[in-house]
Amino acid sequence: GAVVSQHPSWVICKSGTSVKIECRSLDFQATTMFWYRQFPKQSLMLMATSNEGSKATYEQGVEKDKFLINHASLTLSTLTVTSAHPEDSSFYICSAATTGNSNQPQHFGDGTRLSIL
Amino acid sequence: KQEVTQIPAALSVPEGENLVLNCSFTDSAIYNLQWFRQDPGKGLTSLLLIQSSQREQTSGRLNASLDKSSGRSTLYIAASQPGDSATYLCAAPASYSGGGADGLTFGKGTHLIIQP
Repeated sequence: GAVVSQHPSWVICKSGTSVKIECRSLDFQATTMFWYRQFPKQSLMLMATSNEGSKATYEQGVEKDKFLINHASLTLSTLTVTSAHPEDSSFYICSAATTGNSNQPQHFGDGTRLSIL
Repeated sequence: KQEVTQIPAALSVPEGENLVLNCSFTDSAIYNLQWFRQDPGKGLTSLLLIQSSQREQTSGRLNASLDKSSGRSTLYIAASQPGDSATYLCAAPASYSGGGADGLTFGKGTHLIIQP
């Protein structure tokens, strides 16, 4: 099956640091990637939709200047949490899909656990 | 705006039992619905995807049904095993972009424990 790799799997850093998370589709071309956030004991919340070669679309309430998304190729999207603070601590997870076939399942990475001290 | 609700929030049963997990969604104009499994601290594993034209989908001991008119889906697990213990998430497209891939709206999940 399709494989999505997410890196790093765990990050602990000081407040004010910027953190970059990578999401790679290893065996298919992902025209669209999605970024989600999951707080403890909560479900996943969609943060943004990233289409290759264009600007990301952010969900209401998600600061685009805080969460920078780049989708420069069909196999890689990155999420940068800028000037991270403790309230940004969460589980971040990406998924990848191919546009044009909306009835294919989305494939998820293993997630990145971000802890800001 | 799509909203997805799952009941029960938690379920603990002895192994061998058949069980049903429930999912409801508010916007019935969905084109598919997906069930996932999430193990503690891990990512998501896709279990089943049901297209809007289908009533059910089966994979091994899992069977998912979809009733768009009532806004409901169920995940049936037959002959449950301790290895089935996990959180099961139901997700529907958050919107419809017209042929492209769409982000998903998730329920809060059902935390399932299968007792040996």
